[in-house]
Amino acid sequence: EVQLVESGGGLVQPGGSLRLSCAASGFTFSSYEMNWVRQAPGKGLEWVSYISSSGSTIYYADSVKGRFTISRDNAKNSLYLQMNSLRAEDTAVYYCARVVAAAGALDYWGQGTLVTVSS
Amino acid sequence: EIVLTQSPGTLSLSPGERATLSCRASQSVSSSYLAWYQQKPGQAPRLLIYGASSRATGIPDRFSGSGSGTDFTLTISRLEPEDFAVYYCQQYGSSPPGLTFGGGTKVEIK
Repeated sequence: EVQLVESGGGLVQPGGSLRLSCAASGFTFSSYEMNWVRQAPGKGLEWVSYISSSGSTIYYADSVKGRFTISRDNAKNSLYLQMNSLRAEDTAVYYCARVVAAAGALDYWGQGTLVTVSS
Repeated sequence: EIVLTQSPGTLSLSPGERATLSCRASQSVSSSYLAWYQQKPGQAPRLLIYGASSRATGIPDRFSGSGSGTDFTLTISRLEPEDFAVYYCQQYGSSPPGLTFGGGTKVEIK
């Protein structure tokens, strides 16, 4: 069974940092592209970042470029999101999600981890 | 950057009725990279349709997707009680690279 489990969320002050993790199981993690997607309270979905299966290709949304860093450790079946210089508008549930090969769609999602940026 | 506009914002229907949801792109989207998701309160989104018209694993055949270019449609042929939720369209683009989501359509019980 495919499982994605996020962790690392919590309350952080503006300007602070947080590192999210996503533990993958039930599939060959190293063969799949992955994404982070977030959802602010009561709002819609917003794409955050993409990483290729090898980690060699990475993309970011303009809203997080220069502040967030996506990475992965295929030996540990894990995806990460390092978030620096956090702002109130980064408050959201953060989901990791697996990409359907050659379709750009996200077929499996984690349950999400809540990040709250507030003083 | 491609913008996806979903309409209507809210759709009020009764169980058994047909639901037609629209997703319009600001410029042409490859049908291969257009997807639809369902999200219920407190849950992660669930993939329904990818490649504009292919149902994801385990999705009932009352859900269907169609369209091309800038206009895409998700149709639920007969609403079941569990179908009342928010639906999002999403596209993957290469210029700039990344994913874009529509604002969502809420399907509520009339």
